[in-house]
Amino acid sequence: EIVLTQSPGTLSLSPGERATLSCRASQSVSSSYLAWYQQKPGQAPRLLIYGASSRATGIPDRFSGSGSGTDFTLTISRLEPEDFAVYYCQQYGSSLLFGGGTKVEIK
Amino acid sequence: EVQLVQSGAEVKKPGESLKISCKGSGYSFTSYWIGWVRQMPGKGLEWMGIIYPGDSDTRYSPSFQGQVTISADKSISTAYLQWSSLKASDTAMYYCARCRDSSGYCVYWGQGTLVTVSS
Repeated sequence: EIVLTQSPGTLSLSPGERATLSCRASQSVSSSYLAWYQQKPGQAPRLLIYGASSRATGIPDRFSGSGSGTDFTLTISRLEPEDFAVYYCQQYGSSLLFGGGTKVEIK
Repeated sequence: EVQLVQSGAEVKKPGESLKISCKGSGYSFTSYWIGWVRQMPGKGLEWMGIIYPGDSDTRYSPSFQGQVTISADKSISTAYLQWSSLKASDTAMYYCARCRDSSGYCVYWGQGTLVTVSS
């Protein structure tokens, strides 16, 4: 069974800075079936990225996804105050699985 | 507008049964898969299972197989998650979501149902 490991567990940054979040799979993710979600306290998750690099409808272009195989990255080019949240990667396709999450907090 | 509206918070005792719901609107309910996700207090997201309301085809995560039952009533555009005997460890927020397919990403999410199991 695939395991998704997200790092770092917590990222402390200031507004305007660049955030780089990692998601590593224990086995290759087929056809780049990798999604990213954002979750704010008290809210449901929101889909940001699917297919490793395609932005979901309405997602600002400061969010970008990249990677293939076992290594994937979510980049937020310039953090806005509303971007401080927890981010989860999800593998889909053959099975559905979430990573443990990365919290992006204000430094 | 696509909406998934979940039933309200529940407080139950260990051993009791429970069925929570997720009502879809603004789209063809029978044409999209509905998944369920657990989030224990202060923890991450866990995939539980998914159902296709069109024919009730249901898939479970191995971790939740036999622990819960997922069903749907397409006549009222509602999916369900149920337990026959709750445990304290079932205390969590439960989300439903409309997903691309049986093993796809999920765009639309319900607001969540908080289930608290305590004696």
